[in-house]
Amino acid sequence: DAKTTQPPSMDCAEGRAANLPCNHSTISGNEYVYWYRQIHSQGPQYIIHGLKNNETNEMASLIITEDRKSSTLILPHATLRDTAVYYCISYNFNKFYFGSGTKLNVKP
Amino acid sequence: NAGVMQNPRHLVRRRGQEARLRCSPMKGHSHVYWYRQLPEEGLKFMVYLQKENIIDESGMPKERFSAEFPKEGPSILRIQQVVRGDSAAYFCASSPPDQYTGELFFGEGSRLTVL
Repeated sequence: DAKTTQPPSMDCAEGRAANLPCNHSTISGNEYVYWYRQIHSQGPQYIIHGLKNNETNEMASLIITEDRKSSTLILPHATLRDTAVYYCISYNFNKFYFGSGTKLNVKP
Repeated sequence: NAGVMQNPRHLVRRRGQEARLRCSPMKGHSHVYWYRQLPEEGLKFMVYLQKENIIDESGMPKERFSAEFPKEGPSILRIQQVVRGDSAAYFCASSPPDQYTGELFFGEGSRLTVL
């Protein structure tokens, strides 16, 4: 079962930063936090992952709180093509638990 | 370097028939995962396989469902005597061996419709 909770939906204006929160207060110290997204009905796409430190790549930034109970995925300049369901996932021993995700609606 | 290939992309079966879904992992990947997604829901883990071994099948229904990943050829998810509740998208993902942190590469899914 999923160990993460996310808001069901969020809106964001095109060109603005999208900040997607995730609560994972019950994950253990060696469980990574992963973010994937699913555009329409396509296969999920990897975005970013982290354990303790903040991470950044060409797609997004991941901010993990010091107590690791929550994290935020940041899309710095959202575009219409970023409209998707975003999943915050805990990973441990080859098992990914997907919750219901956050439906991000990027509006012009 | 081709990605994860799933076929068929769409499959229609009548109740009681069998459904076979195939997944070819990315080149060099020896770990395969199957997930099921019901309409308007998130992905549910079904099974994790390595070549010729089922590592974790805790998400597989106890009856009618089976999975294999033979030494040669694709991974197969088999559903016997399908029922309407089996209608869903089935996603396969793969990862390379000896992966510590784990990043999954997903296929585009196989959509099963049971009439």
